[in-house]
Amino acid sequence: EVQILESGGGLVQPGGSLRLSCAASGFTFSAYAMSWVRQAPGKGLEWVSTLGGSGGGTFYADSVKGRFTISRDNSKNTLYLQINSLRGEDTAVYYCAKALVGATLHAFDCWGQGTLVTVSS
Amino acid sequence: QSALTQPPSASGSPGQSVTISCTGTSSDVGAYNYVSWYQQHPGKAPKLIIYEVNKRPSGVPDRFSGSKSGNTASLTVSGLQAEDDADYYCSSYAGSSIHLVFGGGTKLTVL
Repeated sequence: EVQILESGGGLVQPGGSLRLSCAASGFTFSAYAMSWVRQAPGKGLEWVSTLGGSGGGTFYADSVKGRFTISRDNSKNTLYLQINSLRGEDTAVYYCAKALVGATLHAFDCWGQGTLVTVSS
Repeated sequence: QSALTQPPSASGSPGQSVTISCTGTSSDVGAYNYVSWYQQHPGKAPKLIIYEVNKRPSGVPDRFSGSKSGNTASLTVSGLQAEDDADYYCSSYAGSSIHLVFGGGTKLTVL
């Protein structure tokens, strides 16, 4: 059974940093692209970033480019998102999602339950 | 403002059919057959129900179907059931610069 579990969220001041983690199991982690998608309170979904499987590319939404860094440790089956220079508009639940086989970033077939990042002074 | 436009709400009675539209541009929906639809119940993670315009992942009932015409994609839910009451989001690949865009979501109410 595929399982995805995010952690690392919390309350952070504007300008601060956090590192989110996403632990995955139940599939060959290294073979799949993994993504972060966020959802501000009461709002819709927003794609944030995608990192391809082994040898795959790295992609960012313009809204986070230069501030967020996606990475993965295939030996630990874990995806990360380093988020710096946080702004109020970054407040959201951050979901980790697995790409559908062969999809890279246009379809996500498994999602975690999300971790809440709140940016406030 | 979301990149893809969805109606904020839709509704139908049990057993009826409802269609939700998702309008983009010739740079996203119109350019690629990479439209997906997600169902999200309150407080839960999204669930993939349609990918590549009209394909259903294993386990998704065939009451859910997708289509596309020009720059507009559509999700049709047939034989509405109480558990279909949820938010629905479309997404589309948008090329190598923007990559992926979502719609603003549609709240489907089963009356």
